[in-house]
Amino acid sequence: EAGVAQSPRYKIIEKRQSVAFWCNPISGHATLYWYQQILGQGPKLLIQFQNNGVVDDSQLPKDRFSAERLKGVDSTLKIQPAKLEDSAVYLCASSLEARVPYEQYFGPGTRLTVT
Amino acid sequence: AQRVTQPEKLLSVFKGAPVELKCNYSYSGSPELFWYVQYSRQRLQLLLRHISRESIKGFTADLNKGETSFHLKKPFAQEEDSAMYYCALSGRGSNYKLTFGKGTLLTVNP
Repeated sequence: EAGVAQSPRYKIIEKRQSVAFWCNPISGHATLYWYQQILGQGPKLLIQFQNNGVVDDSQLPKDRFSAERLKGVDSTLKIQPAKLEDSAVYLCASSLEARVPYEQYFGPGTRLTVT
Repeated sequence: AQRVTQPEKLLSVFKGAPVELKCNYSYSGSPELFWYVQYSRQRLQLLLRHISRESIKGFTADLNKGETSFHLKKPFAQEEDSAMYYCALSGRGSNYKLTFGKGTLLTVNP
């Protein structure tokens, strides 16, 4: 089975610029997650979707971050405008559903550098 | 609030030696505990979960609710066990969202 796909793999931007990341989950997985992993830290959940509805976005900095999951499949995460502290790896994960603790499958991540 | 603490950033052992990666948690309800692993140049993946009570690649982990711990153990470490290990917690009250520890980098020397 194909895994979670993410693009781009690497992105370098200047502060105050905008950037978008794309994620395609495993087919049939209803739940999609975006995590931020800063160097030396574990992944931190930014937003969780169940189909195309938001389940949890309590840790998403909504003044600059936005995410959508149209049609309940692919998802995009946007940062506008970026700050230096946004430099991190952005991980997308998917699981069968959110109501039970199914295994989460992770993508390769997008490494963002903000200069 | 849920919190996971991995006290060791780095752990180095020799091949064949026992290894224990420590994990302590804080959660008011009944937690689900996991260990995720990331090998060099690979994706983060599930290693084991406490409800399965199984051994994966020789690793085991027992949930100790009294000590709020979920330490990962292997009696004889192998070089291929070298990786980054993350302890994670989820709970029914938080829609089963995962909270990760900061991770422990395990190096198994020949």
